[in-house]
Formats: sequence, C-alpha cells, structure tokens
Amino acid sequence: DTAVSQTPKYLVTQMGNDKSIKCEQNLGHDTMYWYKQDSKKFLKIMFSYNNKELIINETVPNRFSPKSPDKAHLNLHINSLELGDSAVYFCASSRTQGYTGELFFGEGSRLTVL
Amino acid sequence: EDQVTQSPEALRLQEGESSSLNCSYTVSGLRGLFWYRQDPGKGPEFLFTLYSAGEEKEKERLKATLTKKESFLHITAPKPEDSATYLCAVQAAKAAGNKLTFGGGTRVLVKP
Repeated sequence: DTAVSQTPKYLVTQMGNDKSIKCEQNLGHDTMYWYKQDSKKFLKIMFSYNNKELIINETVPNRFSPKSPDKAHLNLHINSLELGDSAVYFCASSRTQGYTGELFFGEGSRLTVL
Repeated sequence: EDQVTQSPEALRLQEGESSSLNCSYTVSGLRGLFWYRQDPGKGPEFLFTLYSAGEEKEKERLKATLTKKESFLHITAPKPEDSATYLCAVQAAKAAGNKLTFGGGTRVLVKP
C-alpha cells in the first residue's frame, strides 16, 4: 500500500500546454510538499501546505498553482509549459510543520516539455 | 542563504571497500541535518536525522556523523545493494514549515 502516490509518473507534452500532477498520501500526515529535481539532481522546494493552508511558496512562476482540497491531497497545475519546466516533480509529506522529522516522498513525476 | 555542498559527486567502490561521503553546510541555526538515499527512478528515502555536533547514528553499514560545519556518511564494507545516490539536507531553525535545503548528492556505485 503506497504511502505517497503521485500520478502520472511520466508526462510528455508540448510547450504552451497545461498539465496537472496529482498527489495523495495515506499516512495521516498534516503537511505536504512539492519539490522539483532538475537534471543536476538538486531537489528544491516549491510549495508546502499544512492542513490545506499554504505555508511555503518559494520563488516559483505563477504559472504553477498548487491546490490542496484536503490534507491528504496536494495537486500541482502548470499553465503555459516552458522547456525549462522539464524536471522530475516530487510530492512529499510529513507529520506536521515544525516537526523535525522525515519526509516521505512519492516516486516522482517526470515532466518532459518538447 | 542556506547552502549544502556534497562531495564527491560520484564514487565507485569495490564491494567491501569502505569510504566516506562529505556534506558541508552553512545554515543560520541548524534545526536538523538529514541523509536520504535515492534509487534511480524513485523518490528519496529517509535514512538519518542529526541534530547537534558530535551526534552519530548508525544503520546497517551506514554511519552518519555531524560537526558544526559538515556531516559524513561512512559506508563500511559496502555491498552492491548500497549503490544509490545519497542526499544530504539541512533544516534551518527559523525555516518556515519543514523546508529542507538539499545538496546535489553523491552517486555511489558498488561493484561486486
């Protein structure tokens, strides 16, 4: 039973299109995140939600819009895709904000923009 | 700004050949330093959290240590299944939420 699951695993799309990635966690955690991993393997935080409330919004173009319908789900919608958006996007969760504990990551969604 | 630098970028080991990975960091007050393992095509998997200088943690063939400026991940007598990318991350004391700042990782390949 997957703890953090995200779909789809692969997306290939053209520049200018809009796409969404969905994430669900069944761990009962309060906090969820989106991280971006570029070609050099650096993981950078994009957004963090705690119980549906936006906590972290790093310097991310406003073409990226996260949505958390409930604390178990965090989706990422990307408008007007650009070549530089190609990366692996990871969803993660943790027990609660302010808790120095482990993050549980999903398997990633590889986005390729042509 | 918090920074994490990992070295070397890649490491090739023979099975049984022990080695160490380095994670140098600068952070405005450390809340925690984390080690993760990432296999190809998978998400990072948590290994350890270290909170203060002098602390050590062990798990099977892995041992993590922490000083005020760096952390080491020692791999003792590695096996091929230890092949992975090892990621280091820090969390600042004043970080909003649970923000982690990651290094670029060290790719470890253990040959039989």
